[in-house]
Amino acid sequence: NAGVTQTPKFRVLKTGQSMTLLCAQDMNHEYMYWYRQDPGMGLRLIHYSVGEGTTAKGEVPDGYNVSRLKKQNFLLGLESAAPSQTSVYFCASSYGRRHNQPQHFGDGTRLSIL
Amino acid sequence: GENVEQHPSTLSVQEGDSAVIKCTYSDSASNYFPWYKQELGKRPQLIIDIRSNVGEKKDQRIAVTLNKTAKHFSLHITETQPEDSAVYFCAEVVGRDDKIIFGKGTRLHILP
Repeated sequence: NAGVTQTPKFRVLKTGQSMTLLCAQDMNHEYMYWYRQDPGMGLRLIHYSVGEGTTAKGEVPDGYNVSRLKKQNFLLGLESAAPSQTSVYFCASSYGRRHNQPQHFGDGTRLSIL
Repeated sequence: GENVEQHPSTLSVQEGDSAVIKCTYSDSASNYFPWYKQELGKRPQLIIDIRSNVGEKKDQRIAVTLNKTAKHFSLHITETQPEDSAVYFCAEVVGRDDKIIFGKGTRLHILP
């Protein structure tokens, strides 16, 4: 039982490049979330999903897209990376409202945009 | 809007003393309040949580109190130890989709 796994752990991109961050969970969780964490800003929600095939916008969705084609995977895409997207990205998952359980986080992806 | 205010942003306490971190939330319908601890370079990890049907919960040296009327909740750490040094985040769960709104964090330093 690996929990929440994020790949890659580190990445450096040039402005304008695209990439996809992968989040995988093996806990059969319905809900999945993508956050970014910047110094002094805490964790801000980018996008989330309440089930396979569904996605919704969070607090800071601009510049990002997501997909949840399989229940266990939640992908975060940057179509044209910008320096302002330099951050640490965390994925999380949970059972959802019916269970009122906490979110479990992955180890994070450190992304630098030059 | 959805907002969690967390204070203080930085807190230094002598080893063995107590530390208190306070949060104020905005959504009166929120009924679940987790606290996370994040060590440098690591993932946030749940340390304690409280549901709105109780006013206090304790787990060894850590306790959380909730005042729903005032929309306040607090984390109390007693007999602090060096390994308590970390950033602590409070949060509230809002809406039908269980979005978690985090406070901006408190950096706790335990002084020798």
